Amino acid sequence: DGGITQSPKYLFRKEGQNVTLSCEQNLNHDAMYWYRQDPGQGLRLIYYSQIVNDFQKGDIAEGYSVSREKKESFPLTVTSAQKNPTAFYLCASSPGQGSEALFFGSGTQLSVL
Amino acid sequence: GENVGLHLPTLSVQEGDNSIINCAYSNSASDYFIWYKQESGKGPQFIIDIRSNMDKRQGQRVTVLLNKTVKHLSLQIAATQPGDSAVYFCAEMRGNNRLAFGKGNQVVVIP
Repeated sequence: DGGITQSPKYLFRKEGQNVTLSCEQNLNHDAMYWYRQDPGQGLRLIYYSQIVNDFQKGDIAEGYSVSREKKESFPLTVTSAQKNPTAFYLCASSPGQGSEALFFGSGTQLSVL
Repeated sequence: GENVGLHLPTLSVQEGDNSIINCAYSNSASDYFIWYKQESGKGPQFIIDIRSNMDKRQGQRVTVLLNKTVKHLSLQIAATQPGDSAVYFCAEMRGNNRLAFGKGNQVVVIP
């Protein structure tokens, strides 16, 4: 997984509950990303961060929140406002120098109880 | 609208044969393209990339071809193996330094 660790592998959320997905990287990358993947669909960008203490909304940020207090960590919180949270969540990182490939973690499957 | 897409949803290929996976893009400003491989339940794995100043790039058993005239990208896998069975998708880098991903193309290798 290229030094990007996501946890847990599987997560279950009760209605009205907030849950947090962890993403840690030891690649010394400046940029980090969160994507959502639904069956048969392409990856959709939730949030991204190009530098510590700064992040931007992606295409589907509603119902999600992030923080970037440390370079190596970019946790994603799925809030109760996200009404359809069941999906495969992927974290990625890149050096942050421009046009470059993203390297992905192994993903977290979130399901609703 | 602008999009990244794949022509064939599923490709079945005999073990040992060559595979070709196609991808069409519509944003002429895109200058960087990547192919990823994703196995079931895992994160996407980088395969190969190509910049718009090139039309061909080769890796180990893989070749990416870029035709900017018709906005077409392809991935060729030589001597396809059972371990190549996965979903393959292309991504394009648009002017805002954000990658746009296609939906993916399932490759099934028949032993």
